[in-house]
Amino acid sequence: DAKTTQPTSMDCAEGRAANLPCNHSTISGNEYVYWYRQIHSQGPQYIIHGLKNNETNEMASLIITEDRKSSTLILPHATLRDTAVYYCIVRVAGTGNQFYFGTGTSLTVIP
Amino acid sequence: SQTIHQWPATLVQPVGSPLSLECTVEGTSNPNLYWYRQAAGRGLQLLFYSVGIGQISSEVPQNLSASRPQDRQFILSSKKLLLSDSGFYLCASATEYYGYTFGSGTRLTVV
Repeated sequence: DAKTTQPTSMDCAEGRAANLPCNHSTISGNEYVYWYRQIHSQGPQYIIHGLKNNETNEMASLIITEDRKSSTLILPHATLRDTAVYYCIVRVAGTGNQFYFGTGTSLTVIP
Repeated sequence: SQTIHQWPATLVQPVGSPLSLECTVEGTSNPNLYWYRQAAGRGLQLLFYSVGIGQISSEVPQNLSASRPQDRQFILSSKKLLLSDSGFYLCASATEYYGYTFGSGTRLTVV
């Protein structure tokens, strides 16, 4: 699976949009981009995933560049409960393929 | 949807004592199952994965072992714990759409 690069940490003001970038320049054509987040002392939670088109769900939006070498997770109105570590992972779809987690981005939402 | 049950939530064990952490899965059959470990302030490290009963693959050599005695049961064990075995242990099950579903984790402190 391709490697991803994320900033170590970010701050965001409560109520503002949080934009978390991820670089995956070696992504291959059949690899999806997944985002998870981990709140302290809990298991990681699925947020969103996509292949090439932008995706939106009730939690976030995922913007993938046209060349697919980078993506941005957008939390439109950050709350204090969004403070967590956010992981960007690229992976071939299918239950037989495991995830390899990096250290992610530690997002702190500031009141 | 799948649910992962992990227990206990926290555990304090002396060095040299044995370990058994159990993970069970509801809502699916024949899942791919995974054990991850997370040291304090670090990312998730894949320890073991299993594609079926009795089938275990190890990602890193270590003091731990895993077993899968039933389709939806995954056990992490050690005969003699080391201080370096301390960490947050997570069980996960692969899903076709979400990638992974994680359990709530076990925080192990070896003293």
